[in-house]
Amino acid sequence: EVQLVESGGGLVQPGGSLRLSCAASGFIFSDHFMDWVRQAPGKGLEWVGRIRKKANIYTTEYAASVEGRFTISRDDSKSSLYLHMHSLKTEDTAVYYCTRGGGSPPWYFDLWGRGTLVTVSS
Amino acid sequence: DIQLTQSPSFLSASVGDRVTITCRASQGISSFLAWYQQKPGKAPNLLIYAASTLQSGVPSRFSGSGSGTDFTLTISSLQPEDFATYYCQHLNSYPLTFGGGTKVEIK
Repeated sequence: EVQLVESGGGLVQPGGSLRLSCAASGFIFSDHFMDWVRQAPGKGLEWVGRIRKKANIYTTEYAASVEGRFTISRDDSKSSLYLHMHSLKTEDTAVYYCTRGGGSPPWYFDLWGRGTLVTVSS
Repeated sequence: DIQLTQSPSFLSASVGDRVTITCRASQGISSFLAWYQQKPGKAPNLLIYAASTLQSGVPSRFSGSGSGTDFTLTISSLQPEDFATYYCQHLNSYPLTFGGGTKVEIK
């Protein structure tokens, strides 16, 4: 089955760190750009960042709101995507979705995980 | 950064109605626009990409149009399963951004 499954969410104090994981299956993970998107409770969607594939030297892009605090990485041998989050703020509280870029260059996000909830609170 | 403004933010409609949602970009984005549907507690689902290309498996009652700065998503005959929130997204440049969403509710 083609799917993305996120894990690693939970409750963390402000200033803390957390690593989210996304396990891909059913497709050739290494062929795709991958992105993280988040959604604060009751709010809209916010793009977090992207990691390109090996042919693009695994370069990354980030939203200004997370630049310098979040890092995206991937392990193609494990078909896994990661989001390393540091210096967390209460406004980072959200459901975090792992998504697959479709098309070349990616024109859309054609596969989404179910999301994992991160709560930043003291 | 490119801003996307969706309108309306909320609409109430009946089964069988024709529904149109608009998305306006703060600067030209060619056809680098996608539309997603999200139901409560679920992940978004891709409907339309490249402004007007229907994603595989999406019912033909959904259609998209536009280029440059003005785009529309149309549902030709609203079905019960279409009551959801709809988002546009541009993929023209970084940062990628989403519109604020349009919630479609039952009248």
